[in-house]
Amino acid sequence: DVKVTQSSRYLVKRTGEKVFLECVQDMDHENMFWYRQDPGLGLRLIYFSYDVKMKEKGDIPEGYSVSREKKERFSLILESASTNQTSMYLCASSLFNSRADTQYFGPGTRLTVL
Amino acid sequence: GDSVTQMEGPVTLSEEAFLTINCTYTATGYPSLFWYVQYPGEGLQLLLKATKADDKGSNKGFEATYRKETTSFHLEKGSVQVSDSAVYFCALSASSGGYQKVTFGTGTKLQVIP
Repeated sequence: DVKVTQSSRYLVKRTGEKVFLECVQDMDHENMFWYRQDPGLGLRLIYFSYDVKMKEKGDIPEGYSVSREKKERFSLILESASTNQTSMYLCASSLFNSRADTQYFGPGTRLTVL
Repeated sequence: GDSVTQMEGPVTLSEEAFLTINCTYTATGYPSLFWYVQYPGEGLQLLLKATKADDKGSNKGFEATYRKETTSFHLEKGSVQVSDSAVYFCALSASSGGYQKVTFGTGTKLQVIP
């Protein structure tokens, strides 16, 4: 079974702090994704990566950056956290760049910014 | 751009009732269609998928048929159980700028009561 793990299930940070969310997958997947999930809005894509050291902006990249130094690890960085970044953050991975490909999700990190 | 519209929730059903969750989509090209399920406190996981018109995806008693003429992918189950209580997301995957992009609906919460 594919396993996607996220470093924290719950996180509380203060406005202006730098926040790191870590994601690791164990199935040698090419692609990795970061989404945020908000009530009534579904999942929105923040960034994705199709290869090591490569990254592409998703639909809502503002206020975020990412890092992928190793194939199995994809980090989301909030440079200066703000209250409107309070959300559930979901990491996902997929094997290929194919429209038929399944995405495998981690359990999520619920981030609260005070 | 691509979009997915699914029925508003929450949907409350008695055990053994028939379930339908409606999903329609807008996309250029030939998307693949998915249903993902999110159980309380967990990330999303694939429930079923269909990659071309008239395909039927099925899993755990759930079914959905890819209807190109009505741009729909409605989820059905003949007899729901309490353990089916979860949030269900309809999604499509299509080419966008050389990458495969997944667009999610807003999710439909299902509550099954004994």
